Order: sequence, then structure tokens, then C-alpha cells
Amino acid sequence: GAVVSQHPSRVICKSGTSVKIECRSLDFQATTMFWYRQFPKKSLMLMATSNEGSKATYEQGVEKDKFLINHASLTLSTLTVTSAHPEDSSFYICSPQANEKLFFGSGTQLSVL
Amino acid sequence: AQKVTQAQTEISVVEKEDVTLDCVYETRDTTYYLFWYKQPPSGELVFLIRRNSFDEQNEISGRYSWNFQKSTSSFNFTITASQVVDSAVYFCALTAVTGGGNKLTFGTGTQLKVEL
Repeated sequence: GAVVSQHPSRVICKSGTSVKIECRSLDFQATTMFWYRQFPKKSLMLMATSNEGSKATYEQGVEKDKFLINHASLTLSTLTVTSAHPEDSSFYICSPQANEKLFFGSGTQLSVL
Repeated sequence: AQKVTQAQTEISVVEKEDVTLDCVYETRDTTYYLFWYKQPPSGELVFLIRRNSFDEQNEISGRYSWNFQKSTSSFNFTITASQVVDSAVYFCALTAVTGGGNKLTFGTGTQLKVEL
């Protein structure tokens, strides 16, 4: 099966700092990348969609200046949570897509103190 | 707009019992995919099944089976002879088949607890 590497798996940071989450597709090229967030005991909510080399499309209510998405190559996408605050604490999951097949990273648990 | 409803928030069963997780969806698209994912405590999503809207044939995979009823917009998931390792949150999801990528609409999940 396809391998997706998402790092870090867990990060704790102070309020006001920025955190970068990486998502790599190790054995396939992801034409599209989806980023989801999940609050405790809640569903996954789509944050944004990005295609390689293009600007990301954000879902309604998601601040594009706060959640910076870079999809510079077909194997790497990053999500940067800028000036993180406690309310940004959540589980973030990347989902690369290739040929109509969806894959998921193992997720990043972000805790902002 | 698409919507996925998993009315069962939490289900507890005793090992070896059969359990059915319900999923009802809404979509205006004529072509779509339905999914089930398992999310164990570790957090990663484990793919279980993808079903095309044109394929209403029920599917069985080991102890797992799925009942797709287009007439009632339901895609229910049954675990036969449940085991403790089945304990997890299960998500039903839906995506339209478009050229813009298959972004998923997830249900709220059903927490399954299988006890000895």
C-alpha cells in the first residue's frame, strides 16, 4: 500500500509560536492534498485543498493567513499554523490523493499551551 | 451540500456479539463514493471500504460486511463476532466524483467499545 509520512506526530508549543507539519507521499505522487482537522471526539473537518504548484483553496471559516499550506512538489505538502493559540489545539491529518485514490497521514496532535 | 449522519454516538457490545453501525447520507450528486474508516486510539485512519454509487451489491470481507441501500441512502456496516481489537471510532464518509479532487465529508463517527 501507499506510504504517507506525516511529521511530527505530536507537538507541544507555546502560544504565539508557529508550527509546521509535513506530509510526504513516499512512493507515489500526490496531485491533490487535503488537510483535515479533528477536535477531540469530533469528526474530521476539511480545512483546505491544494494542488501542486497552486494556491490552496480554503473551506469557509478557515483562516488562510493562519493556516499556511504549501504544496511545492508532488511528494511534499506542509501546513504551518502561525501564531498558534490554545484554540488551535487539535489533531491535524493530511490526505494526499493520487489517481482518485485517497490516502491518509498518521496525523499530528498539536497542543498549544 | 453533502451530509453524512451517524446517529449512533457510542455503542458497547460484549465480545462475539454482532454489531451494526448505521450511516445515512445526503447528496445531490448522481455519482459518488462512500467510505468507511476505522480510527483506533492511535489516531491514524484505516481504510475499510470504498463503494461506488452505481454498485449496490453488498460486500463481505471476513467479519466485516456492508449493506448499501440507495433507496434509503444508507450504507451500514456490520461486524460479526466482534473482538476487543475492533474497539475504535468508525467513520462513514462521502465524496462526489468530480475533477476537483475527492474531498471527503465525514460523519461524526461511532465509538465502538467491545468488552470481554
